[in-house]
Amino acid sequence: DAGVIQSPRHEVTEMGQEVTLRCKPISGHDYLFWYRQTMMRGLELLIYFNNNVPIDDSGMPEDRFSAKMPNASFSTLKIQPSEPRDSAVYFCASRLSGAPRGYTFGSGTRLTVV
Amino acid sequence: SQQGEEDPQALSIQEGENATMNCSYKTSINNLQWYRQNSGRGLVHLILIRSNEREKHSGRLRVTLDTSKKSSSLLITASRAADTASYFCATDTGANSKLTFGKGITLSVRP
Repeated sequence: DAGVIQSPRHEVTEMGQEVTLRCKPISGHDYLFWYRQTMMRGLELLIYFNNNVPIDDSGMPEDRFSAKMPNASFSTLKIQPSEPRDSAVYFCASRLSGAPRGYTFGSGTRLTVV
Repeated sequence: SQQGEEDPQALSIQEGENATMNCSYKTSINNLQWYRQNSGRGLVHLILIRSNEREKHSGRLRVTLDTSKKSSSLLITASRAADTASYFCATDTGANSKLTFGKGITLSVRP
């Protein structure tokens, strides 16, 4: 398996523009998580899905952020409009339900909003 | 909010020495996990210890868990330059299967 695949790896955009981050989880994993990492706040859970259904979006900073999982192999995190304070590394992770086990993380998308 | 807090924030050791990193948390947990993150990369799962376990080994890694003190430690024996990375503890409270991460420890292993 190629692991969790995120795209793009880097994104530079101007304030006010829409940004879409993409994630392909490991095949068969039924949980998908979106995290944001910054120096100041560390790793923050934004939202997670189970069987394509959003379970907890309490970490989504504000209405400018939205996430979807139209099928088991694809998820998007959208920011519209983007702001400089959204600059961070965004990680997607997946795991299989059942016995406790670790997450598999993607390589992340480094977002810079100028 | 951070559930786990790692200590120290940064650690610098010589190759061959042992590295000990600590994690404290606040609420009851189902399990605790340690992850490694190399610069510019995603997190990699290292080891998981359940709340009813006290110690676990995996290669050069040894993890302990003291639920009475709400703390865990990660020991890396015979460190190598390739162990240079950030290390995170993460707690699973069993509620809705989500992990909460600490801010991490930066480990530097000098050749």
